[in-house]
Amino acid sequence: AQKITQTQPGMFVQEKEAVTLDCTYDTSDQSYGLFWYKQPSSGEMIFLIYQGSYDEQNATEGRYSLNFQKARKSANLVISASQLGDSAMYFCAMREGGDDKIIFGKGTRLHILP
Amino acid sequence: EAQVTQNPRYLITVTGKKLTVTCSQNMNHEYMSWYRQDPGLGLRQIYYSMNVEVTDKGDVPEGYKVSRKEKRNFPLILESPSPNQTSLYFCASSFGQGAVNEKLFFGSGTQLSVL
Repeated sequence: AQKITQTQPGMFVQEKEAVTLDCTYDTSDQSYGLFWYKQPSSGEMIFLIYQGSYDEQNATEGRYSLNFQKARKSANLVISASQLGDSAMYFCAMREGGDDKIIFGKGTRLHILP
Repeated sequence: EAQVTQNPRYLITVTGKKLTVTCSQNMNHEYMSWYRQDPGLGLRQIYYSMNVEVTDKGDVPEGYKVSRKEKRNFPLILESPSPNQTSLYFCASSFGQGAVNEKLFFGSGTQLSVL
């Protein structure tokens, strides 16, 4: 079974709208970490946001926030007021508690339309 | 400047010719890792290392070797490359689990083509 599932292979969103990128994860650990990365067309991997499983508040970093729903094992990325520069591939990833592997989802390609 | 340096950026080789992709970080990170990225498959972990002389297999280790003789370096070795190892490779590092900031810092990537 996949540990990280990103169900949206691609999305098209109008500029200035909010965007939600879905991510569900599968773990039986109580302690784990969740990450989101952005990969623009230039290819580099850019860290966006991190959520620890014991963090009670949803993580936020500027226009990015992580909608963490532990019971549903969901860690959706929300981008407020999208910009053309947000067009990129987005990856959700998880580090499980008893392990040091960091597993990535297959990604969602986001296109922001002018 | 804090960074993960990978070399080379692009590499074209032939089947069976041993090659090494170097990775070095200047942040005193404990954790280093190699990933390969293929269309539709996301990033898959090849090997990772929690510290010097400690390495572990990721999800796709077959055909690859690594070593961690020094904290800053984590080379990826393909002893006998095959065409199915054509891929984009990333090295990454972090302070590791339990650190205040666990985020992975990535290198720029190495696009490898095996003919």
